[in-house]
Amino acid sequence: EIVLTQSPDFQSVTPKEKVTITCRASQSIGSSLHWYQQKPDQSPKLLIKYASQSISGVPSRFSGSGSGTDFTLTINSLEAEDAAAYYCHQSSSLPDTFGQGTKLEIK
Amino acid sequence: EVQLVESGGGLVQPGGSLRLSCAASGFTFSSYEMNWVRQAPGKGLEWVSYISSSGSTIYYADSVKGRFTISRDNAKNSLYLQMNSLRAEDTAVYYCARAVTWGQGTLVTVSS
Repeated sequence: EIVLTQSPDFQSVTPKEKVTITCRASQSIGSSLHWYQQKPDQSPKLLIKYASQSISGVPSRFSGSGSGTDFTLTINSLEAEDAAAYYCHQSSSLPDTFGQGTKLEIK
Repeated sequence: EVQLVESGGGLVQPGGSLRLSCAASGFTFSSYEMNWVRQAPGKGLEWVSYISSSGSTIYYADSVKGRFTISRDNAKNSLYLQMNSLRAEDTAVYYCARAVTWGQGTLVTVSS
């Protein structure tokens, strides 16, 4: 099973700040890494698929990069509505696995 | 538009059973492998089970192996999860997922 480790677990940031969340895989997963945002009492919302592919309707301040074992989700010019938990997800090999999550708090 | 709608959740006593359903629309269901993923209250995401497009290949998480059964009916565009011998630790929102597309989830609460 591929283990995904996100960092940080928690981050408190101010609006307009740039945020970087990383996800490291225990073995190479190519580009089969996806990012989700989850707000309380909502289902996960897809932000980025296959490491860097943008999703229709997702604000352009969200971007992804990386391949192999190291991946990054970047949020440029953070907005108050970005307060949420963020998860990475690998679909390279079964079973699918998820990072432990990063909780983003807006100061 | 791809849509996945889960149903069948509810309150059940420990040791009881529930059957979850997932109605799929907006795509050729029979061509896609599907998964069940769950999220316990306040916790992260946990993969539960996988089924191939034909139903011939199935996998389970160790935590549910021997108690849960995944199945599908391609004629009805539906995915199922039969959950037996339920435990308190199975309490979670259960999502059906096609790759990176998820439903809204259905809550299963196991409590006496």
